Amino acid sequence: NAGVMQNPRHLVRRRGQEARLRCSPMKGHSHVYWYRQLPEEGLKFMVYLQKENIIDESGMPKERFSAEFPKEGPSILRIQQVVRGDSAAYFCASSQTGTGNTEAFFGQGTRLTVV
Amino acid sequence: DQQVKQNSPSLSVQEGRISILNCDYTNSMFDYFLWYKKYPAEGPTFLISISSIKDKNEDGRFTVFLNKSAKHLSLHIVPSQPGDSAVYFCAASEGRGSSNTGKLIFGQGTTLQVKP
Repeated sequence: NAGVMQNPRHLVRRRGQEARLRCSPMKGHSHVYWYRQLPEEGLKFMVYLQKENIIDESGMPKERFSAEFPKEGPSILRIQQVVRGDSAAYFCASSQTGTGNTEAFFGQGTRLTVV
Repeated sequence: DQQVKQNSPSLSVQEGRISILNCDYTNSMFDYFLWYKKYPAEGPTFLISISSIKDKNEDGRFTVFLNKSAKHLSLHIVPSQPGDSAVYFCAASEGRGSSNTGKLIFGQGTTLQVKP
């Protein structure tokens, strides 16, 4: 019974390149959340998706960031033209119901380093 | 605008003693509160939660207390064990029933060290 799988675990990109982060939710979970953790800070909500739909993207930066959760395959968080300030740990969580009283399970995260 | 605050960046306790981690919030619409534990280079792991209609929830060595009037919650770990050493995050979600989408607002975390 695999948990939430994120890959890659570590990603190094040069400034201006694109970063693609993948998240496969737990089996049976159709609700996915992305969070970002900057150094010495807590996790900040970015986006909430269900299959083929973005439900809440209130935490996403207005430019360069996008997310999708296609009918088939993992959820993807895409960062275009990365800058040094994008260096952070990006965590994905999945839940069965997408309601507040249901535990969300987190993946191990992708640590993005922009050089 | 930090809606969930953990004002103590770190806490050190002796093995066998009680650990008390505190969390304050400002949004009165928060309906569900959770505590997560996180080891370095790993994702957060769910520990315990509490609904706003309760003031206490207990699970083994872990107890969460909620004081709605003070907008304060705390996590008690007793007895503390060296394996409890980790970063603890308080989180909250807003709204009741279907209006709560599960979006979590996290505090900054408190690093707990339990000394043998």
